[in-house]
Amino acid sequence: DQQVKQNSPSLSVQEGRISILNCDYTNSMFDYFLWYKKYPAEGPTFLISISSIKDKNEDGRFTVFLNKSAKHLSLHIVPSQPGDSAVYFCAAGFSGSARQLTFGSGTQLTVLP
Amino acid sequence: NAGVTQTPKFQVLKTGQSMTLQCAQDMNHEYMSWYRQDPGMGLRLIHYSVGAGITDQGEVPNGYNVSRSTTEDFPLRLLSAAPSQTSVYFCASTPSGTDTQYFGPGTRLTVL
Repeated sequence: DQQVKQNSPSLSVQEGRISILNCDYTNSMFDYFLWYKKYPAEGPTFLISISSIKDKNEDGRFTVFLNKSAKHLSLHIVPSQPGDSAVYFCAAGFSGSARQLTFGSGTQLTVLP
Repeated sequence: NAGVTQTPKFQVLKTGQSMTLQCAQDMNHEYMSWYRQDPGMGLRLIHYSVGAGITDQGEVPNGYNVSRSTTEDFPLRLLSAAPSQTSVYFCASTPSGTDTQYFGPGTRLTVL
């Protein structure tokens, strides 16, 4: 039973446009959510996070939105750049329990020049 | 700081062989974890440690052992490799007081 789901394995976006990556979760006890970015042959790198007490967190071109009632979060990248092409994983956990992250299966984002 | 380092980068084993995947971090992080990544399944937690001398099982611990004798090192041992353990293995560390994990570059393991 996948508690964190990324239903889109891939997404293609034109350079300069908005990329929207989606993630759904089933465990309502999750209270901390993160997005990681992964390039081929490298480990995932932390991108942005959000606590369940917020519904939005912004860091430069990256914004994460959390809809607790729908158990849904999304990552917006504006404007998208070719260097953003990577696999994006969402992860969920319990604040204070960093060891227990549950990851989604990832979405391959391709930004076309 | 070198961050989180993993060795080897690649390894091929035969069924039944044993080996140890090395993980080290120089950031004095308390928490360390091992994940495996399989196609279409994201990262799954194998074992984790909240500090030297303390380890616990994650979601998929069978076939793997860990130990944490120092803060810096967290090796993952495969006792008798099986083809189902073919995967990419990532080690991660987390500073206390945060929930952000920092990952190593990974070890690609193939078991024939």
